[in-house]
Amino acid sequence: GAVVSQHPSWVICKSGTSVKIECRSLDFQATTMFWYRQFPKQSLMLMATSNEGSKATYEQGVEKDKFLINHASLTLSTLTVTSAHPEDSSFYICSARDLRGNQPQHFGDGTRLSIL
Amino acid sequence: GENVEQHPSTLSVQEGDSAVIKCTYSDSASNYFPWYKQELGKRPQLIIDIRSNVGEKKDQRIAVTLNKTAKHFSLHITETQPEDSAVYFCAASGAPPGNTGKLIFGQGTTLQVKP
Repeated sequence: GAVVSQHPSWVICKSGTSVKIECRSLDFQATTMFWYRQFPKQSLMLMATSNEGSKATYEQGVEKDKFLINHASLTLSTLTVTSAHPEDSSFYICSARDLRGNQPQHFGDGTRLSIL
Repeated sequence: GENVEQHPSTLSVQEGDSAVIKCTYSDSASNYFPWYKQELGKRPQLIIDIRSNVGEKKDQRIAVTLNKTAKHFSLHITETQPEDSAVYFCAASGAPPGNTGKLIFGQGTTLQVKP
């Protein structure tokens, strides 16, 4: 079945550091990928829609200069948390839709980000 | 904007009993409704989904019903087992090309199945 690979799975770093998270569709092409954030015991909150070859669409309240998204190919989207602070600590999950359409979204394993 | 409400937030049942989780959505253009199971620290796993052209779908012990008029859909798990214990999320989305297919999630239901 369709697989989405997300890397890294864990990141612990100092405040002020920028962190890049990769999301890859391994056996299908995805013009659209999605980035979610999940705080403990809460739901998945959509941060942005990543569009291959164009700018990402951010949800209301999400700072685009803080969370940089690049979707340079049909199989890779990256999320960079710039100048991360402790309040950015969370579980970040990506998902991807198959280009062929009418397919369910497939989620990556998520990245646990801890900012000290 | 789009909103999905999910109830209850916690549900405790005895093994073998049925569990029902309900969701309502606000965007009448939504036409795809998946349900995900998430275990602690892991990715959400799709367990069943339904599209707006059907009212009910079943897969072994799991079923989903959809009422488009009322804009609500429900997950039914029969003969629950301890391994069904997890957090369940409903979601709603529209369809491309007019919609990106982004999912709006409900708040989640923590299901506990007692042996």
